[in-house]
Amino acid sequence: GGIITQTPKFLIGQEGQKLTLKCQQNFNHDTMYWYRQDSGKGLRLIYYSITENDLQKGDLSEGYDASREKKSSFSLTVTSAQKNEMAVFLCASSGTVGNTGQLYFGEGSKLTVL
Amino acid sequence: GDSVTQTEGQVTVSESKSLIINCTYSTTSIAYPNLFWYVRYPGEGLQLLLKVITAGQKGSSRGFEATYNKETTSFHLQKASVQESDSAVYYCALGDRYGGSGNKLIFGTGTLLSVKP
Repeated sequence: GGIITQTPKFLIGQEGQKLTLKCQQNFNHDTMYWYRQDSGKGLRLIYYSITENDLQKGDLSEGYDASREKKSSFSLTVTSAQKNEMAVFLCASSGTVGNTGQLYFGEGSKLTVL
Repeated sequence: GDSVTQTEGQVTVSESKSLIINCTYSTTSIAYPNLFWYVRYPGEGLQLLLKVITAGQKGSSRGFEATYNKETTSFHLQKASVQESDSAVYYCALGDRYGGSGNKLIFGTGTLLSVKP
């Protein structure tokens, strides 16, 4: 089996600050994802990457940057944190086509903006 | 576009009673949908509960069942007798069997299940 590790688990920032979340996976999966989870809104895709150095925008990419410098890691940057923002960011990975599309998730990073 | 609808944001059920959480999907781009139920237990990460990739088939896990109904575009989650340990948030999700769009999943808004002792 494998594991997805997200750091930090808790992130507190100030309004306007740039904040970065990191994700590592040891599944050797090709594709990685960042989702945002808000209460009552489910999970919404921010960015995904189908291979090293690839980036694809999801429905919620505005206000975020992402980076996939190597296969095992995928970073997400909040470019300017919004006051009173609170959300959980979930990193996930999946293997190649044909594995029925199952995603494996990390435990999440909780963001609070003061 | 593609979307998943879960009508119940929160459900409370007494232990040993039956449960149904509704899920319907809509798609304009996915010819062969994969359907999933994910669960997030308190203090844990989101994990797969069950999946079905063929219309008409039923998936099951931990006493939960869901049948992929292509005619009604539904994938309702059911359990005959819930336990306190089933208390969690349940998400229905839609994917593309042929991995179009990088295997990304579209999630519903989630249903918080609380089981009373």
